[in-house]
Amino acid sequence: EAGVAQSPRYKIIEKRQSVAFWCNPISGHATLYWYQQILGQGPKLLIQFQNNGVVDDSQLPKDRFSAERLKGVDSTLKIQPAKLEDSAVYLCASSLVGQGRNIQYFGAGTRLSVL
Amino acid sequence: SQQGEEDPQALSIQEGENATMNCSYKTSINNLQWYRQNSGRGLVHLILIRSNEREKHSGRLRVTLDTSKKSSSLLITASRAADTASYFCATEISGNTPLVFGKGTRLSVIA
Repeated sequence: EAGVAQSPRYKIIEKRQSVAFWCNPISGHATLYWYQQILGQGPKLLIQFQNNGVVDDSQLPKDRFSAERLKGVDSTLKIQPAKLEDSAVYLCASSLVGQGRNIQYFGAGTRLSVL
Repeated sequence: SQQGEEDPQALSIQEGENATMNCSYKTSINNLQWYRQNSGRGLVHLILIRSNEREKHSGRLRVTLDTSKKSSSLLITASRAADTASYFCATEISGNTPLVFGKGTRLSVIA
């Protein structure tokens, strides 16, 4: 079974530039998550999709962050414009929610450096 | 805000020793999970314990849950250098709600 795929693995940009991350979840997983992980901390949820609908985006800074999940499969997360404090690892995860267990499968992440 | 808090923040042990990490949380939960993260990688699910369970085993892992104290512990027995990683607890408050992760414990196992 293929895992969660993310690209790119690394990205370096200057502040005020734009950046986009891509995620392909495990086939058949209806739920997709984007997390931000700052160095030394645990992952913080940015947005949760169920199929192509948003379940929770309460912690997404909507003035600069946007995300979409077309056709309920792949997803992109965009930052425009980036700030220095956006430097972090962006993790995508997927799960088969509905079994009452919500075990999440993570991609390797995209490490973003904003200079 | 982060629901879980792991303790200690960092732990260094010799290969073969046991490692114990603790997690405290604030609200009632549906289940609690432990994940491992190797440097530069994503998180990997280790074990899930439901709120009506008190102890669970998986290979060299033992997890306990005390809902009255709102705490959990992860024990790794006979540690190996390959166990070197960060370990996170994550709580699920109810079905289909997002997991909330703690800040993690960084475990170093010295060969």
